[in-house]
Amino acid sequence: EILMTQSPATLSVSPGERVTLSCRASQNIKNDLAWYQQKPGRAPRLLIYGASTRATGIPVRFSGSGSGTEFTLTISSLQSDDFAVYYCHQYNHWPPLTFGGGTKVEIK
Amino acid sequence: QVRLVESGGGVVQPGGSQRLSCAASGLVFWKYGMHWVRQAPGKGLEWVAFIRYDGSDKFYADSVKGRFTISRDSPKNTLYLQMDSLTPDDTAIYYCAKDLSAFGNYEPVDFDYRGQGALVTVSS
Repeated sequence: EILMTQSPATLSVSPGERVTLSCRASQNIKNDLAWYQQKPGRAPRLLIYGASTRATGIPVRFSGSGSGTEFTLTISSLQSDDFAVYYCHQYNHWPPLTFGGGTKVEIK
Repeated sequence: QVRLVESGGGVVQPGGSQRLSCAASGLVFWKYGMHWVRQAPGKGLEWVAFIRYDGSDKFYADSVKGRFTISRDSPKNTLYLQMDSLTPDDTAIYYCAKDLSAFGNYEPVDFDYRGQGALVTVSS
């Protein structure tokens, strides 16, 4: 099973700031990495897949990078709508599919 | 637009059974692999089960293997999860999700982010 580790667990930021979230895989997953945003009471929303491809309708301020075992989600200028929990997910080696533990982005 | 609407949640006693359903619309259902993913209260996401687009393969998380059964009725655009021998550790919101692309092999899970899932509470 591939273990996905996200850091930090919580990030306190102000609107307009640049945000960088990290995700590490326990094995090489090439670029089979997705990022999700989840708001309270809702299912997760797919933001990025293939490590760097934005999903349909996702604003350009969201970008993903990395390959192998180290990945990053960047929000170039945090908007009020972006305060949420973010998860990474690997789909290279499965079953099982695995998710990271999440990073909560909260208002500073 | 794709909608995935879960139903069948509720309170069930330990050792009991529950069947979840997921009604899919806005997609050609029979072309997509489908998943169940759960989230315990205040916790992260845990993949539960997958069924290939044609039903030829089914995979399960070790935590549910032998107790849960995933199935689909493609003419009815519906996905199911039969859950038996439930324990309190199975308490969670259960989300139905699809492969991002049709006929995929290595695809990310794609949720209906407007959905709220089905809450299953296992408690006496």
